[in-house]
Amino acid sequence: EPEVTQTPSHQVTQMGQEVILRCVPISNHLYFYWYRQILGQKVEFLVSFYNNEISEKSEIFDDQFSVERPDGSNFTLKIRSTKLEDSAMYFCASSVGFSTGDTQYFGPGTRLTVL
Amino acid sequence: AQSVTQLDSQVPVFEEAPVELRCNYSSSVSVYLFWYVQYPNQGLQLLLKYLSGSTLVESINGFEAEFNKSQTSFHLRKPSVHISDTAEYFCAVPGVYNQGGKLIFGQGTELSVKP
Repeated sequence: EPEVTQTPSHQVTQMGQEVILRCVPISNHLYFYWYRQILGQKVEFLVSFYNNEISEKSEIFDDQFSVERPDGSNFTLKIRSTKLEDSAMYFCASSVGFSTGDTQYFGPGTRLTVL
Repeated sequence: AQSVTQLDSQVPVFEEAPVELRCNYSSSVSVYLFWYVQYPNQGLQLLLKYLSGSTLVESINGFEAEFNKSQTSFHLRKPSVHISDTAEYFCAVPGVYNQGGKLIFGQGTELSVKP
């Protein structure tokens, strides 16, 4: 069964460094998402992406964040200058369509630790 | 604005006992509801969803949830749990109806099944 994959599984970085989290969505999916979960808190939406454009972003997704689909398979989340509070589990998701009932398929997550 | 509340952060039960994980939602429009499950060290997987029609929805592994409009609830139940059901369970609603995109998650309920 096709699945969303994410690399790395765990990333440790120093505060102020740039990190890129990578995702490979399911191949025939057109809509891509990033969510994050700070330890002990809710899973929070960050951004959705379609046709090489951001469709929607949350207030968390400020100028330090960017997303890109650099080729036909990868979907990346870049944090330009990491802060301690960016430490979280980051989940990538994808869906075939964008209608309310379409299932979003999630990857296993990347645990980001900012020191 | 749409929101969900999961009333229990942790639910410990013994194997073969029944379980109910509670979810209440807040919405001023037609409601779609989802339950996702996260097994240890894995990503979120869709367990079941309510879009319309029958208020009782079932998953392939014996879970069921009932949409109750008068009580604004979508509780998840299983009559007899297994050790393998140990996981974190998330209730979710779409952020905007008829547009798709982001999911809004509850705080999660950690189900711990003991032998």
